[in-house]
Amino acid sequence: DAKTTQPNSMESNEEEPVHLPCNHSTISGTDYIHWYRQLPSQGPEYVIHGLTSNVNNRMASLAIAEDRKSSTLILHRATLRDAAVYYCIPNSGNTPLVFGKGTRLSVIA
Amino acid sequence: DSGVTQTPKHLITATGQRVTLRCSPRSGDLSVYWYQQSLDQGLQFLIHYYNGEERAKGNILERFSAQQFPDLHSELNLSSLELGDSALYFCASSVGLPPYEQYFGPGTRLTVT
Repeated sequence: DAKTTQPNSMESNEEEPVHLPCNHSTISGTDYIHWYRQLPSQGPEYVIHGLTSNVNNRMASLAIAEDRKSSTLILHRATLRDAAVYYCIPNSGNTPLVFGKGTRLSVIA
Repeated sequence: DSGVTQTPKHLITATGQRVTLRCSPRSGDLSVYWYQQSLDQGLQFLIHYYNGEERAKGNILERFSAQQFPDLHSELNLSSLELGDSALYFCASSVGLPPYEQYFGPGTRLTVT
């Protein structure tokens, strides 16, 4: 599995964009980049995933560097409900998802 | 609501006992995954079933076993419980094999006293 590096914590003001970075310099060519988040007292929640090109869905955008060694999850307008631990997980599908420590995002009203 | 249901929500039991946790996947999902989350270990993958067959095993203890039934629901059996087994146990489901996104249930909180 590719090793990932994420900030332990980040803070954002409500209604402002948030950029959550992830370094995965040992990623293999077949690894998708998955992002999950875990809100307090809940199970993890799928956010987005991509392989090479940038991806958008109703929750977020995923920007993947050209060399694929890093990616950024973008929340366009943070709300209080977005306060959670965000996990970046490179995975090809041949092995189980490995959840690291993630980034704890705090959103300030 | 992810569509994945887990029962019971809370379970308190004594050391040495055996418990069964139940998971119903989202309608149509063939894959079921079990995870354990404790304060010191984070979220750990235990086991994956696809359409009734075991597909992958993580750091699952020999005291733990799981199965997926023909109706696709799954059960995780934990026996000879120890204090250290106290944790949140999550079940997730996905429509097929990885890398399809996984949808997690609300979890079962197990407390071993």
